[in-house]
Amino acid sequence: KQEVTQIPAALSVPEGENLVLNCSFTDSAIYNLQWFRQDPGKGLTSLLLIQSSQREQTSGRLNASLDKSSGRSTLYIAASQPGDSATYLCAVSGNTPLVFGKGTRLSVIA
Amino acid sequence: NAGVTQTPKFRVLKTGQSMTLLCAQDMNHEYMYWYRQDPGMGLRLIHYSVGEGTTAKGEVPDGYNVSRLKKQNFLLGLESAAPSQTSVYFCASSFIRGRGETQYFGPGTRLLVL
Repeated sequence: KQEVTQIPAALSVPEGENLVLNCSFTDSAIYNLQWFRQDPGKGLTSLLLIQSSQREQTSGRLNASLDKSSGRSTLYIAASQPGDSATYLCAVSGNTPLVFGKGTRLSVIA
Repeated sequence: NAGVTQTPKFRVLKTGQSMTLLCAQDMNHEYMYWYRQDPGMGLRLIHYSVGEGTTAKGEVPDGYNVSRLKKQNFLLGLESAAPSQTSVYFCASSFIRGRGETQYFGPGTRLLVL
């Protein structure tokens, strides 16, 4: 059974700092890995999707990497802003539909 | 283009009552999903559908039923609500499964069962 773990569970950083969120998964037989953002009381918004054959994806200040063999992904956020404050979820898709981690709650302090 | 919409946004039920949550998408997606999100548990898949007229069980299907009579709609039913079903329910849809899949989520339905 696929299990997805996200560390840390919560993170607080000052504005302008670069930061890394971590995601690990137990079964490397995946189709893709996605990073989502969830604001309080809202639904999920897809940020980046990395297909199993890819190593990384970039969108603006966000960069996500995937090391399928070791079962790890990182989400790098450059020059963090207060507007980045949200919960970030990692999810993997394989033989079953998306399996989610429990998320990292990020607070960026102005 | 509304994306994925969910009805209702919030509902309070008494134990034993029944209700249906409606999910609609206007993106012509084949795949649709129902998740529940609970504190400390993350999102868990309840049921999903790979096309009109099809449904399949996810990780936590007990106590729920689903139907996909039209491609754009996916209904989640609770026949006899229990306090353990208090949660936030999210619907999602995607065009395909597999390598290029991106799931689009609705805003959620908050359900409180007393």
